[in-house]
Amino acid sequence: AQSVTQLDSHVSVSEGTPVLLRCNYSSSYSPSLFWYVQHPNKGLQLLLKYTSAATLVKGINGFEAEFKKSETSFHLTKPSAHMSDAAEYFCVVSDISGGSYIPTFGRGTSLIVHP
Amino acid sequence: IAGITQAPTSQILAAGRRMTLRCTQDMRHNAMYWYRQDLGLGLRLIHYSNTAGTTGKGEVPDGYSVSRANTDDFPLTLASAVPSQTSVYFCASSNQLGEQFFGPGTRLTVL
Repeated sequence: AQSVTQLDSHVSVSEGTPVLLRCNYSSSYSPSLFWYVQHPNKGLQLLLKYTSAATLVKGINGFEAEFKKSETSFHLTKPSAHMSDAAEYFCVVSDISGGSYIPTFGRGTSLIVHP
Repeated sequence: IAGITQAPTSQILAAGRRMTLRCTQDMRHNAMYWYRQDLGLGLRLIHYSNTAGTTGKGEVPDGYSVSRANTDDFPLTLASAVPSQTSVYFCASSNQLGEQFFGPGTRLTVL
């Protein structure tokens, strides 16, 4: 069985300061891990993914995440927050079942960016 | 434009009525998914399909059914809607890397 825990339901930062959104996962196999972003009243968009290549993954809009197997973590970071980063962020773990990925979503972290 | 379309965008429905949410993709992805999104609960998987002709149950399948007659279409049916099915519903497909592509969502209110 797989599971995802996003450790913070809300994160509040000032514009220009670093962002850290925490994610821990549990998986029986070697999982694929993803971060998605959802802006208000929009669908979800892929930010970045880890699929057993480099452990430091770079995504869109300056975000990156580091896969740490020993800590079962996949935290999302950005050096400097922008107002447009305010959104809901979802960490996803996905194992292959029957030849297809079956994803499990975390409950989401709401990123609030203050001017 | 490649992607996923969902219809309707929103719907208000009386309890006990039957409703089908439509989802179509043009990316020729084998895998498709239906999620519901509720505040504080993230996205929960209702049903999925690995390929045309096959379907599987997700985390919250009760009260919902799906079919996958072809690669492009993956409709979700509520046979007899109940107020607890008020939610935002997202359809998605995934490529062979597991990357998911989401539709814009359907906001459903059951009264």
